Amino acid sequence: AQSVTQLDSQVPVFEEAPVELRCNYSSSVSVYLFWYVQYPNQGLQLLLKYLSGSTLVESINGFEAEFNKSQTSFHLRKPSVHISDTAEYFCAVSEGYSTLTFGKGTMLLVSP
Amino acid sequence: DAGVIQSPRHEVTEMGQEVTLRCKPISGHNSLFWYRQTMMRGLELLIYFNNNVPIDDSGMPEDRFSAKMPNASFSTLKIQPSEPRDSAVYFCASSLRGGQFFGPGTRLTVL
Repeated sequence: AQSVTQLDSQVPVFEEAPVELRCNYSSSVSVYLFWYVQYPNQGLQLLLKYLSGSTLVESINGFEAEFNKSQTSFHLRKPSVHISDTAEYFCAVSEGYSTLTFGKGTMLLVSP
Repeated sequence: DAGVIQSPRHEVTEMGQEVTLRCKPISGHNSLFWYRQTMMRGLELLIYFNNNVPIDDSGMPEDRFSAKMPNASFSTLKIQPSEPRDSAVYFCASSLRGGQFFGPGTRLTVL
């Protein structure tokens, strides 16, 4: 069975500071990896995904994540955060094109 | 594309009443998922369909919950009878390959 661990339930940072949200997974087979973002009172939005190819994937709003197979990690990073990045971020893993297993989420709190 | 559409967005009902949540997936997507999100348990997969066929309903909490997908463009999640502990946000998501797209959710409150 697969599982996802997001060690940090909350990450407070100041605006324009860099941030890293950690995600580790366990699986016995090859996986696909995803990051979702949930703004208050909204659904989850797909932020970025790793299916194959380059291990570094980027989103359109400046986030990036790197798939590290040896460390079974898929950490999310942004070099400079904005107030508008305040949201909950979920890491997810799937074995093929079926169900996703989600982590418990990390709340990113950006303050001025 | 309008994305995944869910209705209603909010539902307030009394214990014992039947509740029906509706979902229209993104056109062309062949998989549909129902999730429930609460503060206590986070995001839980209830059931998923592939090509309109239920594949895994192991997450459905009790017989009070049922889901149908009569065609590729419509699915329902029904709770009968509803209980206060069913209060949550229910999300529908659809996918074709590699990543699910979520609807805005239905916030259900059972009094």
